[in-house]
Amino acid sequence: EAQVTQNPRYLITVTGKKLTVTCSQNMNHEYMSWYRQDPGLGLRQIYYSMNVEVTDKGDVPEGYKVSRKEKRNFPLILESPSPNQTSLYFCASSLGSVQGGTGELFFGEGSRLTVL
Amino acid sequence: DQQVKQNSPSLSVQEGRISILNCDYTNSMFDYFLWYKKYPAEGPTFLISISSIKDKNEDGRFTVFLNKSAKHLSLHIVPSQPGDSAVYFCAASATGSQGNLIFGKGTKLSVKP
Repeated sequence: EAQVTQNPRYLITVTGKKLTVTCSQNMNHEYMSWYRQDPGLGLRQIYYSMNVEVTDKGDVPEGYKVSRKEKRNFPLILESPSPNQTSLYFCASSLGSVQGGTGELFFGEGSRLTVL
Repeated sequence: DQQVKQNSPSLSVQEGRISILNCDYTNSMFDYFLWYKKYPAEGPTFLISISSIKDKNEDGRFTVFLNKSAKHLSLHIVPSQPGDSAVYFCAASATGSQGNLIFGKGTKLSVKP
């Protein structure tokens, strides 16, 4: 089954404790991206990756890191989480960039993160 | 500054009637627009898209209209069904933006039986 898998789905942590949210897709997609969803703010892009070893900042990259060492995985790293990073996070992938005519993004089920 | 605006946080429609969800954008460089649907506890799913070279795209009960001069697009659902109840996100991108898809805040649609 084609899917984007995120882990963990739920996490409660404390300020400053490094954490990683993993994302894996099994569709051989080149493009992957991370979003956060907050009440009243919709979906905002954190980072995206056009291909292996190619990453770029989205609209709200502060406090996050990503890596794309292999095509299927795109982990989101919070080196020193803070309470303002409490949010619902979505990983997404697509065959090409949005402008490549393959604009359909496949989203994971989301990871709800709470930073105390 | 919000580049993609969905000014109605919620919309309630009777089953069988038409649902019209609206979206406005400010960036004239946007040339590709998409609608996503999101159910609670699930990730958004792609619904329909439209390129700026078109003014209408239809897929079954869903039609998206684009008015470039007004920088406005709308999603029509006819007829509306209770299963359409979800949050709908409008999204836009510009050629050369390398995949930076800008989303609106979403509109929660409730279709009542």
